[in-house]
Amino acid sequence: QSVLTQPPSVSAAPGQKVTISCSGSSSNIGNNYVSWYQQLPGTAPKLLIYDNNKRPSGIPDRFSGSKSGTSATLGITGLQTGDEADYYCGTWDSSLSAVVFGGGTKVTVL
Amino acid sequence: EVQLVDSGGGLVKPGGSLRLSCAASGFTFSDYTMTWVRQAPGKGLKWVSSISSSSYYIYYADSVKGRFTISRDNAKNSLFLQMNSLRAEDTAVYYCATDRYCSSTSCFDYFDYWGQGTLVTVSS
Repeated sequence: QSVLTQPPSVSAAPGQKVTISCSGSSSNIGNNYVSWYQQLPGTAPKLLIYDNNKRPSGIPDRFSGSKSGTSATLGITGLQTGDEADYYCGTWDSSLSAVVFGGGTKVTVL
Repeated sequence: EVQLVDSGGGLVKPGGSLRLSCAASGFTFSDYTMTWVRQAPGKGLKWVSSISSSSYYIYYADSVKGRFTISRDNAKNSLFLQMNSLRAEDTAVYYCATDRYCSSTSCFDYFDYWGQGTLVTVSS
């Protein structure tokens, strides 16, 4: 059972948009920055979004992040087959004094 | 180019010990907080431990507290994880990663660079 809640899977056709939610509480998302990670099959995770909505250099603007209250959202537009991966949200939990991740969301391109 | 190379994994019996290493290059290692994240087979990411740039602040997940020890050698650009009293549930791929922030109240901003991971299997 993860501290942050993500849907297990989302899917859409190529070119379409998907959103992945990440739900937490005031002790984590509500008062700390959220980051998002993409993990392609068999590889290490890769930073996609940091500080709620910033993209590292090299990450296309098809990927976006937002935060409202105790929830965060990752959006992917113009879906491509290469986007098929697991996506994780992460943040600091002030009550646990620990980094917490969501359980991960598998994105499938139909 | 930033590079993190994880090593030291292997097969160990329950109750045994293992020391993981992470060799860093391509950035000023002593400026960064470093962390270990693990992933059990077929499961999600779990944070293990973090250490601030000067080793002043150290944090552990409850599941490893008292059994694992994180350390670093800034002169050798290396991060370590000493794992004792290993259990079957510690079986996972262990990744080292860089972070930007660590203080007395929080030790996370984001993990921007990751190693390739090293597999630890705890089994009799």
